Amino acid sequence: DQQVKQNSPSLSVQEGRISILNCDYTNSMFDYFLWYKKYPAEGPTFLISISSIKDKNEDGRFTVFLNKSAKHLSLHIVPSQPGDSAVYFCAASERRKLIFGQGTELSVKP
Amino acid sequence: DSGVTQTPKHLITATGQRVTLRCSPRSGDLSVYWYQQSLDQGLQFLIQYYNGEERAKGNILERFSAQQFPDLHSELNLSSLELGDSALYFCASSVGPGPYNEQFFGPGTRLTVL
Repeated sequence: DQQVKQNSPSLSVQEGRISILNCDYTNSMFDYFLWYKKYPAEGPTFLISISSIKDKNEDGRFTVFLNKSAKHLSLHIVPSQPGDSAVYFCAASERRKLIFGQGTELSVKP
Repeated sequence: DSGVTQTPKHLITATGQRVTLRCSPRSGDLSVYWYQQSLDQGLQFLIQYYNGEERAKGNILERFSAQQFPDLHSELNLSSLELGDSALYFCASSVGPGPYNEQFFGPGTRLTVL
């Protein structure tokens, strides 16, 4: 039972354009959401988070949007850069643990 | 470099065997988490320790066990290994006990069971 789903395994975007990564969840009790980024041969690194009491959080080129009624989370990267090419995982917190999605591989082409 | 170290980087073993994966958290971090990433799967939370005590448990098999030592390093023991246990195993650490604390991940241990 996948409580956090990233339905797009991959996404390709041109440099300078917007990248939009999506994430859906089923558990309405999730109260905190995060995005992690992972390069090959490295562990994931924290990117940005959002509490369930907010609907938007911004950090530089990265913005996370939360739509609680739709149980949907998205990460916007503007403008996209080739160095953003990585696998992006969304995660949601349930009591004491994080539930991760399967990841979306973003490729930003020069 | 996250400051979290994991050894070994790679491990190849046979079915039925037992292995131990080791993790040293960032200096000052009291929480250690273990995750499994199988092929085409997201990160599956296994278990968390905070200051030596088990704090949260995820989808950890009975054949797997972990502990956190007084110096805060942690070990994940995998026994009676099966082909399906082949995966990347990540350790992460954080300052506090809760999921709201940023977790810093190590580079992972790639386990191959033949």
